[in-house]
Amino acid sequence: KQEVTQIPAALSVPEGENLVLNCSFTDSAIYNLQWFRQDPGKGLTSLLLIQSSQREQTSGRLNASLDKSSGRSTLYIAASQPGDSATYLCAVRLHNNNDMRFGAGTRLTVKP
Amino acid sequence: NAGVTQTPKFQVLKTGQSMTLLCAQDMNHEYMSWYRQDPGMGLRLIHYSVGAGITDQGEVPNGYNVSRSTTEDFPLRLLSAAPSQTSVYFCASSYVGPGELFFGEGSRLTVL
Repeated sequence: KQEVTQIPAALSVPEGENLVLNCSFTDSAIYNLQWFRQDPGKGLTSLLLIQSSQREQTSGRLNASLDKSSGRSTLYIAASQPGDSATYLCAVRLHNNNDMRFGAGTRLTVKP
Repeated sequence: NAGVTQTPKFQVLKTGQSMTLLCAQDMNHEYMSWYRQDPGMGLRLIHYSVGAGITDQGEVPNGYNVSRSTTEDFPLRLLSAAPSQTSVYFCASSYVGPGELFFGEGSRLTVL
């Protein structure tokens, strides 16, 4: 059974700091891995999608990497801002049945 | 550009009542799914579908029914609501395989 783990569960950093969020998964037979952002009381917004054949994807200050063989992904946020405060979730799409399995998320607080 | 539309956004039920949460997407996605999100539990898959006429159970299917008569619609039915079903429900869709997952805004359900 695919298990997705995100560490740390919560993170607080001062504004301007670069930071890394971690995601690990137990089964490497995946189609892709997706990072989402969720603001309190809101839905999930897709940030980055990495296909299983890719090593990384970048969007603005965000960079996500994927090491399928070791079952790990990282989300790097450069020059963090208070507006980055949210919960960040990773999810993997399973190769055998297409469903998505989510981590519990990392709650990020960026202090001005 | 509607994307994934969920209705209603809020609903209060009494124990034993039935209701249907509606989900529609206009992106011609084959894959549709329902998740529930509870504090400290993350997103858990209830049911999913990879095409019209095809549905399958996720991690927490008990107490819920689904059907997929069209590509666009994927309703979630609660047959006899219980307080344990108080949660926020999210519908999501994508192309099968390496497709990016898109979420609706969520439906907040309270069962008294």
